[in-house]
Amino acid sequence: EPEVTQTPSHQVTQMGQEVILRCVPISNHLYFYWYRQILGQKVEFLVSFYNNEISEKSEIFDDQFSVERPDGSNFTLKIRSTKLEDSAMYFCASSGAGVNEKLFFGSGTQLSVL
Amino acid sequence: LAKTTQPISMDSYEGQEVNITCSHNNIATNDYITWYQQFPSQGPRFIIQGYKTKVTNEVASLFIPADRKSSTLSLPRVSLSDTAVYYCLVAMNRDDKIIFGKGTRLHILP
Repeated sequence: EPEVTQTPSHQVTQMGQEVILRCVPISNHLYFYWYRQILGQKVEFLVSFYNNEISEKSEIFDDQFSVERPDGSNFTLKIRSTKLEDSAMYFCASSGAGVNEKLFFGSGTQLSVL
Repeated sequence: LAKTTQPISMDSYEGQEVNITCSHNNIATNDYITWYQQFPSQGPRFIIQGYKTKVTNEVASLFIPADRKSSTLSLPRVSLSDTAVYYCLVAMNRDDKIIFGKGTRLHILP
């Protein structure tokens, strides 16, 4: 089965630093998503991306967050100035035709902000 | 977006059939019902999706009554490896986000 790949698997950073989380979606997919999950809590939607622009975003996705698809294969999430509360597992997902097709999730990046 | 309600947790035994019911009273005409499974420290994994009546695949069945205000995920003959969190989600076919609820934590006992 095709896979969504995320790197790094773990990222440790100091509060206030910028981090970039990277994802390689499945090659023929058109819709891309970032979710996060704080330990022991539910999976939270951050943003969806289609046709090189943000389709939807949640209230969590404030000005500190940005997404980019720089080269047609990678899909990145940038947090400009990390806060302690940004510590979470971040999941990238992609789908072929929006939400009525199944979302394929990556294995996640565990972000720890110290 | 339709809100979903499902049990917080369930226990069952190996070899049993497990049914997890989700209510979605304000489901809209164009909404699909999708179930995902999540193991600890892994991303959610698609199990099954349906619009009405019954859908079956190699891992589960999904039963949706005529009014579509609820749905039931059926896992036949569960094993220990089915211990996971199961999420019921409802989304429009042209919407661009899926909101996860708290899910049902299924614990399979030997």
